[in-house]
Amino acid sequence: IVMTQSPATLSVSPGERATLSCRASQSVSSNLAWYQQKPGQAPSLLIYGASTRATGIPARFSGSGSGTDFTLTISSLQSEDFAVYYCQQYNNWPLTFGGGTKVEIK
Amino acid sequence: QVQLVESGGGVVQPGRSLRLSCAASGFTFSSYAMHWVRQAPGKGLEWVAIISYDVNYKFYADSVKGRFTVSRDNSKNTVYLQMNSLRADDTAVYYCAKEMNSNYFDYWGQGTLVTVSS
Repeated sequence: IVMTQSPATLSVSPGERATLSCRASQSVSSNLAWYQQKPGQAPSLLIYGASTRATGIPARFSGSGSGTDFTLTISSLQSEDFAVYYCQQYNNWPLTFGGGTKVEIK
Repeated sequence: QVQLVESGGGVVQPGRSLRLSCAASGFTFSSYAMHWVRQAPGKGLEWVAIISYDVNYKFYADSVKGRFTVSRDNSKNTVYLQMNSLRADDTAVYYCAKEMNSNYFDYWGQGTLVTVSS
């Protein structure tokens, strides 16, 4: 399953809302996770089951969607949220990731 | 707290072998499947392999099938990745990752860099 993320880069001002998209080439039901990766660090889990926040993840992060179209929304960007975000489907083998969306400071 | 510490990376010539290790602590290692995920320099994430908690199930990405072998030693809380016939396009940071429930990852190691170059 090919995962396509858009846009590749998103320029957002602190305090603004960011909306990231992830599309699957076939249905993955709700078996989708989102990760955040900061420079020089390993990815960290944000969302699983398309919409369930992982432990300790702030409420400003929300996930939605099912089937083939998914969205990660960051309601009010904080300085620590500027990073690259990846979606991952775990409905089928092999597990696959999207190409990532870089959220940068506008 | 959960810790995953990879080791064994380095520079290796094409066609040679390397074995990565990932030492786990802070959770019941023998109860969880473990994965390897890699990231080429400046690129995205690529899933590589899974080994089930009881070693009965292993699965690989097509790009490494037949060349890489995943194993684990539950008595040592360690998972391994034996990489043979290495190619330039295997150059990447290799992460081990703990599966949370259903093939997504709640903890990652810091990664170990493998560079395949002559």
